[in-house]
Amino acid sequence: GDSVTQMEGPVTLSEEAFLTINCTYTATGYPSLFWYVQYPGEGLQLLLKATKADDKGSNKGFEATYRKETTSFHLEKGSVQVSDSAVYFCALNLANQAGTALIFGKGTTLSVSS
Amino acid sequence: DGGITQSPKYLFRKEGQNVTLSCEQNLNHDAMYWYRQDPGQGLRLIYYSQIVNDFQKGDIAEGYSVSREKKESFPLTVTSAQKNPTAFYLCASSHGTGSEKLFFGSGTQLSVL
Repeated sequence: GDSVTQMEGPVTLSEEAFLTINCTYTATGYPSLFWYVQYPGEGLQLLLKATKADDKGSNKGFEATYRKETTSFHLEKGSVQVSDSAVYFCALNLANQAGTALIFGKGTTLSVSS
Repeated sequence: DGGITQSPKYLFRKEGQNVTLSCEQNLNHDAMYWYRQDPGQGLRLIYYSQIVNDFQKGDIAEGYSVSREKKESFPLTVTSAQKNPTAFYLCASSHGTGSEKLFFGSGTQLSVL
């Protein structure tokens, strides 16, 4: 079945370090891909998305490129801040297919220290 | 402001008791969802609803029930049949299933006394 695999955390970085969180997927169709972020005690918020191969999603300094050949959607940021500390979820959705819901990875906890 | 509201924020259940978690949205979204979040498990889909008076089981529906009598509301009942109910429950909505963006509530933490 369709699934998402993320690198296990926690990821611990110093402020201004480079961030990569790996995400790979398995899907029978042509999914849209997403990164969601969850701050402590809150629900999830959409961070960025990409709907087709080679698309790059970006928001708040974060980027991810939809790589069909490697079935990946790795999240990157050039210089993290303490305020980026959160749990990050990779997700997929079979685009425009009624009756489906988002499938999430297990989440990766990021902790940034000053 | 439009949004999705979950209540209560914290809920305690006694053994053998049914409890109901509330989820209300004023975004005029057709689709609504319930996810369960456990540490290290990510989000797992319990139930979802595409339209009023219709809903489908997700991956872990056993021990849970839902209703969708109004477009704005999608309450989740955790029944006594759910033997391990302690978790963080998240409700979400979207314009439709297959839609790109989910809007999430702030969650309900359910614990067993």
